[in-house]
Amino acid sequence: SQQGEEDPQALSIQEGENATMNCSYKTSINNLQWYRQNSGRGLVHLILIRSNEREKHSGRLRVTLDTSKKSSSLLITASRAADTASYFCASNGAGSYQLTFGKGTKLSVIP
Amino acid sequence: NAGVTQTPKFRVLKTGQSMTLLCAQDMNHEYMYWYRQDPGMGLRLIHYSVGEGTTAKGEVPDGYNVSRLKKQNFLLGLESAAPSQTSVYFCASKEVQGLTEAFFGQGTRLTVV
Repeated sequence: SQQGEEDPQALSIQEGENATMNCSYKTSINNLQWYRQNSGRGLVHLILIRSNEREKHSGRLRVTLDTSKKSSSLLITASRAADTASYFCASNGAGSYQLTFGKGTKLSVIP
Repeated sequence: NAGVTQTPKFRVLKTGQSMTLLCAQDMNHEYMYWYRQDPGMGLRLIHYSVGEGTTAKGEVPDGYNVSRLKKQNFLLGLESAAPSQTSVYFCASKEVQGLTEAFFGQGTRLTVV
């Protein structure tokens, strides 16, 4: 079964608000990654957090990782209409070559 | 650099027909992956390869075969297409195990009628 599960499945916010998406995973991981997918396009890598890190920032993105709860969150601050997309978490399991994805959160940012 | 290129972008097949999807990467990556994406299901791993001449099964391998005869190419074959294989297929490549990102192709939209 899939390694990651995102929550919520869909999120609609006003431009300028913050958006928070959560991801839970099942097994021990080497790292956790977040990807973005615009409608009808391939996925684009956003940020990677190592299993020994707790928080990481990149521009308007903030990712947290709690390995004790097997969960991660992605925060997008000051959202823009251009942030409208689906967001996926993905993980490399410890000792595994597989890169497995969750079902994604569909974010809509209303201008 | 083109990155990851998938061929074709669209295809309609009749039930029982066969076809091959081609994924080509020019980044000299060792790892390559084939995923399918269905509404509400996210991306599910079909097969993957950790180097030239190697392949392994992912989460949903049934009905598909793969080959990695050259490092830069990863082929996904459907021997006898079924309507359940209607999906969008994505290929991805990755440098090495661990702390590197995956690069994705633009997808192949396959419809089996």
